[in-house]
Amino acid sequence: EAQVTQNPRYLITVTGKKLTVTCSQNMNHEYMSWYRQDPGLGLRQIYYSMNVEVTDKGDVPEGYKVSRKEKRNFPLILESPSPNQTSLYFCASWPTSSYEQYFGPGTRLTVT
Amino acid sequence: AQSVTQLGSHVSVSEGALVLLRCNYSSSVPPYLFWYVQYPNQGLQLLLKYTTGATLVKGINGFEAEFKKSETSFHLTKPSAHMSDAAEYFCAVRATGGGNKLTFGTGTQLKVEL
Repeated sequence: EAQVTQNPRYLITVTGKKLTVTCSQNMNHEYMSWYRQDPGLGLRQIYYSMNVEVTDKGDVPEGYKVSRKEKRNFPLILESPSPNQTSLYFCASWPTSSYEQYFGPGTRLTVT
Repeated sequence: AQSVTQLGSHVSVSEGALVLLRCNYSSSVPPYLFWYVQYPNQGLQLLLKYTTGATLVKGINGFEAEFKKSETSFHLTKPSAHMSDAAEYFCAVRATGGGNKLTFGTGTQLKVEL
């Protein structure tokens, strides 16, 4: 089944404790992206990647890091999480031939 | 820059009534337009899209949308709401620049009442 998977689905952590949220897709898509969803603000792009080892900032990159060492994986790293990063995070992927994005199920992160 | 405005963050309809969710966009290039739906505790899934060709686009679950260039609109409709349509709906437009990116609206929460 073609899909985007994210882990974990739920995460509660404390301020300053480094964490990684994984994202993997099995559709051989070139593009991948991370979004955060907050009430009233919709989806805001954090980072995106055009292919292996090629990444670029989105609209709200501060406090986040990403890497793309393999085509299928695009982890999101929070090196020192803060409470304002409490949010619902989505990973998405899509091919170069299309603008249609495929989304993972989401990761709900709470930073206390 | 591209932008999307969704009028009404919350819309409530009765079961069987018409669903109308509004989306207006601005774009400096011919727009590609999308509607995504997000059911509770799930990711977004594509409902329908307009790229070129016929301006009335049909999607899944009985939804359709009409691209109106003169009004810069892409409103989503469904003739008869069902309880299972309760979800959040996002309109999106392709962004210029690299990356085949989309710019999303802030979403409309649809509530369906008996």
